[in-house]
Amino acid sequence: AQSVAQPEDQVNVAEGNPLTVKCTYSVSGNPYLFWYVQYPNRGLQFLLKYITGDNLVKGSYGFEAEFNKSQTSFHLKKPSALVSDSALYFCAVRDRGDYQLIWGAGTKLIIKP
Amino acid sequence: DGGITQSPKYLFRKEGQNVTLSCEQNLNHDAMYWYRQDPGQGLRLIYYSQIVNDFQKGDIAEGYSVSREKKESFPLTVTSAQKNPTAFYLCASSPGLAGINQETQYFGPGTRLLVL
Repeated sequence: AQSVAQPEDQVNVAEGNPLTVKCTYSVSGNPYLFWYVQYPNRGLQFLLKYITGDNLVKGSYGFEAEFNKSQTSFHLKKPSALVSDSALYFCAVRDRGDYQLIWGAGTKLIIKP
Repeated sequence: DGGITQSPKYLFRKEGQNVTLSCEQNLNHDAMYWYRQDPGQGLRLIYYSQIVNDFQKGDIAEGYSVSREKKESFPLTVTSAQKNPTAFYLCASSPGLAGINQETQYFGPGTRLLVL
């Protein structure tokens, strides 16, 4: 069965430090991979996606993610965290032969001043 | 939240009542989706529509109904058969369901449904 795991419910980082939000997946074929961010009581905003090509994908607000096929991971990273990055982050995956996005449970990112 | 509007922001449902959540998009997208979000869980797909006058059930369609009479609109009705409707409901759209550049979904601001 296809699945997405975000192993950390919450990640705490000091402002200015690098941050990583982890995502691993299980799909039967080659995946499309996505990261979205959600601010309180708001809809989700698209951050970045991996479709094909370079394993390092750059997205909005200085975020990037690295696709690692051997480890079936797609961790979200940022070199220097901002307090305004505090939000709920969702990883999602889609098998190229399917229509449906499979969502992780979300990771709450807290950036402390 | 670019181009997708949902109303109302908050909705209260009484016992045995059907309520309808509105979703409108001006992105000229073919595909539209309804998700339910509960605390501590990822998004769960209720219904999706690839094209006008066509829609399919997602993972948790029971107790919900939809229509797609216009490309821009995809309203969701929460019926009295849905026994636990309290949740945050998110509408999304994408250019289409197929193809490399067709799959990114864009979300509305959401509607929070509460039961009185």
